[in-house]
Amino acid sequence: GNSVTQMEGPVTLSEEAFLTINCTYTATGYPSLFWYVQYPGEGLQLLLKATKADDKGSNKGFEATYRKETTSFHLEKGSVQVSDSAVYFCALNQGGSEKLVFGKGTKLTVNP
Amino acid sequence: GAVVSQHPSRVICKSGTSVKIECRSLDFQATTMFWYRQFPKKSLMLMATSNEGSKATYEQGVEKDKFLINHASLTLSTLTVTSAHPEDSSFYICSASLSVTGGYGYTFGSGTRLTVV
Repeated sequence: GNSVTQMEGPVTLSEEAFLTINCTYTATGYPSLFWYVQYPGEGLQLLLKATKADDKGSNKGFEATYRKETTSFHLEKGSVQVSDSAVYFCALNQGGSEKLVFGKGTKLTVNP
Repeated sequence: GAVVSQHPSRVICKSGTSVKIECRSLDFQATTMFWYRQFPKKSLMLMATSNEGSKATYEQGVEKDKFLINHASLTLSTLTVTSAHPEDSSFYICSASLSVTGGYGYTFGSGTRLTVV
């Protein structure tokens, strides 16, 4: 079945450091891929998405590229801020189904 | 943009009582809503898919008699935790599906922290 594997956290960085959170997936066909962010005590917010191979999703300085050959959708940001501290979830949606399949989440803490 | 309002944000209830959580789509009609449960330091577990005007579809292992879902209108879905016990304490999140060009979009409520004492 469909699944998402993302790097285990927690991840702790200093402000302005480079961020990578790895995400790989298993799915048949061509799923849509998402990154969601959850700030403490809140629900999930869509950060970015990509719907086909080689698409790059970007938002708020974050980027992720849909790599079909490596079945990956790694999240990157060149310079993190304290306000980026949150839990990040990689997810996929298989065409024909409305269900989202989530990874386990990666907690990011950015220190001043 | 599409907004889903979920409340209450926090609720504490006594063991054996029932708790209702509401999820409303504020500026769009949501034919499909999803209910998730999030355990501490773990991912979201899909509990059920709620379709307006029909019975909810529950995921394997989720007790439908314990977690009652009602989606009576295009803007409101409710989750009722019946005869709650401490092990039902968790963070519950609803989500609405938006069919958009190029793939589905989803918008999430802000979640409900349920504590059963």
